[in-house]
Amino acid sequence: QVQLQQWGAGLLKPSETLSLICAVYGGSFSDYYWSWFRQSPGKGLEWIGEINHRGGTNYNPSLKSRVTMSVDKSKNQFSLKLTSVTAADTAVYYCAREIIVARGAFDNWGQGTLVTVSS
Amino acid sequence: VLTQTPLSSPVTLGQPASISCRSSQSLVHSDGNTYLSWLQQRPGQPIRLLIYKISNRFSGVPDRFSGSGAGTDFTLKISRVEAEDVGVYYCVQATQFPRTFGQGTKVEIK
Repeated sequence: QVQLQQWGAGLLKPSETLSLICAVYGGSFSDYYWSWFRQSPGKGLEWIGEINHRGGTNYNPSLKSRVTMSVDKSKNQFSLKLTSVTAADTAVYYCAREIIVARGAFDNWGQGTLVTVSS
Repeated sequence: VLTQTPLSSPVTLGQPASISCRSSQSLVHSDGNTYLSWLQQRPGQPIRLLIYKISNRFSGVPDRFSGSGAGTDFTLKISRVEAEDVGVYYCVQATQFPRTFGQGTKVEIK
């Protein structure tokens, strides 16, 4: 059974950098895209971006200037960094797996990490 | 932009429910596929994939869930709502970047 386990700092001050890691247990790492999403309190889902096993990325233009994703194939992990956070970045952040041959098929999700930005 | 209706759907147990997802532009990809999926978010549970490419039911999803549509108009149907179906349902498109979601439809029991 595939499991995505994510972790990272849950409380940040404005201007700090959000850093999250998602570890993939089970399954192939190279047959999927690996994505990050977020959900602001009481709101819907927002796609942040994706990365493949070679490190190729696509980012949401609304966040592109502040986002960096990376992959560590040796550990079956991928990560998200978001710089210069503000209160507007307070959200639950999710990692997820997407089937390459069925785009939009986000078939496995992490448990979510609440990140709060507050001075 | 993906627009879901209704935003709230009170349903009697055993009765059907239907959620519409309308796109402001065609979701047909240049490869001929339409990458429109449906996700379920239940309280305290991981987000779950229900349907991908309009109508393909994901592994383990009960057959009371079905997806249909084409181009810009899509529908998720639950043939007979059960208590475990309470939650928020999202359509998501992966034809274009950035991926975008509908606002979500909350299904609750009357």
